[in-house]
Amino acid sequence: NAGVMQNPRHLVRRRGQEARLRCSPMKGHSHVYWYRQLPEEGLKFMVYLQKENIIDESGMPKERFSAEFPKEGPSILRIQQVVRGDSAAYFCASSPGTGGGRRTQHFGDGTRLSIL
Amino acid sequence: GENVEQHPSTLSVQEGDSAVIKCTYSDSASNYFPWYKQELGKGPQLIIDIRSNVGEKKDQRIAVTLNKTAKHFSLHITETQPEDSAVYFCAAIYGFGNEKLTFGTGTRLTIIP
Repeated sequence: NAGVMQNPRHLVRRRGQEARLRCSPMKGHSHVYWYRQLPEEGLKFMVYLQKENIIDESGMPKERFSAEFPKEGPSILRIQQVVRGDSAAYFCASSPGTGGGRRTQHFGDGTRLSIL
Repeated sequence: GENVEQHPSTLSVQEGDSAVIKCTYSDSASNYFPWYKQELGKGPQLIIDIRSNVGEKKDQRIAVTLNKTAKHFSLHITETQPEDSAVYFCAAIYGFGNEKLTFGTGTRLTIIP
């Protein structure tokens, strides 16, 4: 039973380019969350999605950032016109949404984004 | 919104001794408190969690206690081993229908052989 899969593991972009981060949740999980971690800091919530719906995007920057979780395929976190301050580790988590462990979030190993 | 504070930021203990990490939360409506272990280059791994209707939970060498009145919860690791060395994060979820985790700032635990 594969865990949460994120790709790429490392991504290098130049300022002004676009970054696309992908997340495939655990099998049977319908809820996806994205978090950002700056060096030596804790994780900060960005967005919570269910299939085809954004449930809570209160942690997303108002501009340049977007997320989707389509009916088919992985969840995508998209950052347009990247800036140096976007350099961070981006983690995806998933949860079942139903059943006894419905609130338990399992994390992937993250995408480390570096902006040149 | 919810705020979670975590102490200490670093902790070194002799192998075989116990380690305790403490967290406090701000919102009394918080009702779910997981603990994660993060190793270098990896994502956070859930090690134990507790719900607000329970005061204590134990899983082998790991235990978590919750004091709702004082709004704090603690992680206890007994008989520590070198593989316990990692960064540990506490977190909280506020209310029902709100599923975002608010994390503490982490504790770097080092087990001295």
